[in-house]
Amino acid sequence: SQQGEEDPQALSIQEGENATMNCSYKTSINNLQWYRQNSGRGLVHLILIRSNEREKHSGRLRVTLDTSKKSSSLLITASRAADTASYFCATDEAGTALIFGKGTTLSVSS
Amino acid sequence: DSGVTQTPKHLITATGQRVTLRCSPRSGDLSVYWYQQSLDQGLQFLIQYYNGEERAKGNILERFSAQQFPDLHSELNLSSLELGDSALYFCASSARGLAGSYNEQFFGPGTRLTVL
Repeated sequence: SQQGEEDPQALSIQEGENATMNCSYKTSINNLQWYRQNSGRGLVHLILIRSNEREKHSGRLRVTLDTSKKSSSLLITASRAADTASYFCATDEAGTALIFGKGTTLSVSS
Repeated sequence: DSGVTQTPKHLITATGQRVTLRCSPRSGDLSVYWYQQSLDQGLQFLIQYYNGEERAKGNILERFSAQQFPDLHSELNLSSLELGDSALYFCASSARGLAGSYNEQFFGPGTRLTVL
């Protein structure tokens, strides 16, 4: 069953623009993670934000977490064509399985 | 490169058959997770092993089984295959995997299973 729900399902932008994806989840979590998947390939871990953190940065990525609203957002600044991929949020409830959302498909055109 | 390896990359087989997917975790990682990704179900957790023992079970069918060996590699066995089992199967590993810990998982490239 899906825990996280990403929004939007698909996003098309131009190179240089910022991309924002949102994730909502249902239960209490230990942490929330974002992954990237290029078409049909493995998932690449992008960033992990703990339940007691509100914001985290990694390079061009900025993640926020609002546990009161059970939501998170991923911002990719100055997007590049190479950022074209599907992005998934995954919640970790108990240090075991990650529960993934259905993902946002990002298309960055040059 | 995540450091997690999976073999084979592609597998084509017929309904009713049995296949084995193999995963080698990152060096030092004790936890191995198996996930299934299909168009209709998305990414679904199947099963987790920690240091050779089953730790958690998700939406794994009875026709599927897994094990983790003393060298920490893991195998996922799928039997009596059906058309609906066609999917990408991912293995992930983590240094941790115990309740209450931070659980960053590193994914392998996946095995694409096609059941004809």
